[in-house]
Amino acid sequence: DTGVSQNPRHKITKRGQNVTFRCDPISEHNRLYWYRQTLGQGPEFLTYFQNEAQLEKSRLLSDRFSAERPKGSFSTLEIQRTEQGDSAMYLCASSSRGQSYNSPLHFGNGTRLTVT
Amino acid sequence: AQSVAQPEDQVNVAEGNPLTVKCTYSVSGNPYLFWYVQYPNRGLQFLLKYITGDNLVKGSYGFEAEFNKSQTSFHLKKPSALVSDSALYFCAVSLNTGGFKTIFGAGTRLFVKA
Repeated sequence: DTGVSQNPRHKITKRGQNVTFRCDPISEHNRLYWYRQTLGQGPEFLTYFQNEAQLEKSRLLSDRFSAERPKGSFSTLEIQRTEQGDSAMYLCASSSRGQSYNSPLHFGNGTRLTVT
Repeated sequence: AQSVAQPEDQVNVAEGNPLTVKCTYSVSGNPYLFWYVQYPNRGLQFLLKYITGDNLVKGSYGFEAEFNKSQTSFHLKKPSALVSDSALYFCAVSLNTGGFKTIFGAGTRLFVKA
């Protein structure tokens, strides 16, 4: 178990630029989640994949956000035309092939985005 | 709306004393409840879960949590706090929305003073 890996750890970008984050889940996990966390708040659900299928996307996500998980392995989260309000920690988590309600999430260390 | 609430932003306790971090939930159907901990500059870590069965569940690092259906609560407890327990604690519930997604409370910061 090498854990969930996220890259980059930090990203500073100017408003209006596009950014892409990568998440490599634990290899035998088939479910992958993206969350966003701002200071003093709990993780906020963004989207969820089972294998390569994106099963749910939060209504809070604007059309500027898109996520993919080709071949059901790693995942990318892209934010287009970044805004200052996008500044946050973006967390990736994966969980195992067991019953989905029963399986705890394994989190990466996150990617901290700062939009200037 | 289905949700999970942590009524305390911060809990202060002296080392060696028992600690409780509170959580209440509002879900339809059976609740699947979790506690996670976040240490500084580290990712969230799973502590324990309640799915069904005994109302008192035991987890990592000596933590336990008590499920109370009538009060819709799932409070985190530890008989004797350590300074190293100081961290941010999140209560979470897994929701059946076709698939299952987990939603989190706002978190409670625990300070254990030596």
